[in-house]
Amino acid sequence: EAGVAQSPRYKIIEKRQSVAFWCNPISGHATLYWYQQILGQGPKLLIQFQNNGVVDDSQLPKDRFSAERLKGVDSTLKIQPAKLEDSAVYLCASSLDPYSGDTQYFGPGTRLTVL
Amino acid sequence: DQQVKQNSPSLSVQEGRISILNCDYTNSMFDYFLWYKKYPAEGPTFLISISSIKDKNEDGRFTVFLNKSAKHLSLHIVPSQPGDSAVYFCAARAAGNKLTFGGGTRVLVKP
Repeated sequence: EAGVAQSPRYKIIEKRQSVAFWCNPISGHATLYWYQQILGQGPKLLIQFQNNGVVDDSQLPKDRFSAERLKGVDSTLKIQPAKLEDSAVYLCASSLDPYSGDTQYFGPGTRLTVL
Repeated sequence: DQQVKQNSPSLSVQEGRISILNCDYTNSMFDYFLWYKKYPAEGPTFLISISSIKDKNEDGRFTVFLNKSAKHLSLHIVPSQPGDSAVYFCAARAAGNKLTFGGGTRVLVKP
C-alpha cells in the first residue's frame, strides 16, 4: 500500500514570495490533515479536511495561508506572502475516518526555508 | 498554552537497557494518547497508543503507562536497540481525531 506522498521535499524562497505544497493521501482515506512543525517543536495542526470539506481550520493563519482539497483526494497548501517565521516542515497526514479515531499516517514532509 | 508537554528534550541510553520517556497533559477531555516515532527526513510513524480508560498497553518491547490522576503518561522501551534512536512524540487525541503533540524527546541508544 502506497503511503502519503508530498512534494516538493525541500523549498527555499525569499520572504514575501509565494509557495505551494502538494499532498496525495493514502487511497481511500477520507480525512486529510496539514501540520506545521517548527524546529524543536511538535507538529501543530493547521487544517483538517473530511473529503473536500473543511472540518477545522482554527489554527490556520488565514491572512496568508490557504488550503484546498478538490475532489476529496489531493490537497494543496499555499502560503502567500511568506514570512521568515513560516520556515518549518509542513507535514500532510491522512486517516480513514476521523470519528472512529483511526491512526493518522504521515507523509515525509516538505521542508520550507524562508530567507 | 501547551496542553501536551515532554519535559526531557533528549535521552541517552545504553543498548539493552530501558528507555523511559515521559509526557504530561493538561486537558481532561483527551480520550486517547499516542506515541509517534520520527527518523530524520521522514514523517512521524505511529508506535503505540492507549485509551484513557486503561492504565497500561503493551506491544512487544514497547509499553505505555497512563496515570490519569496525575495527567501523566510514559513510554518504556525494553530492551533498547540502536534502531530505536529517533525523536519520539507524545500526542493526545480530542474529538474529531484531532491530535495535539508534545515537543518531542530525542533518544540516542549507544551500542
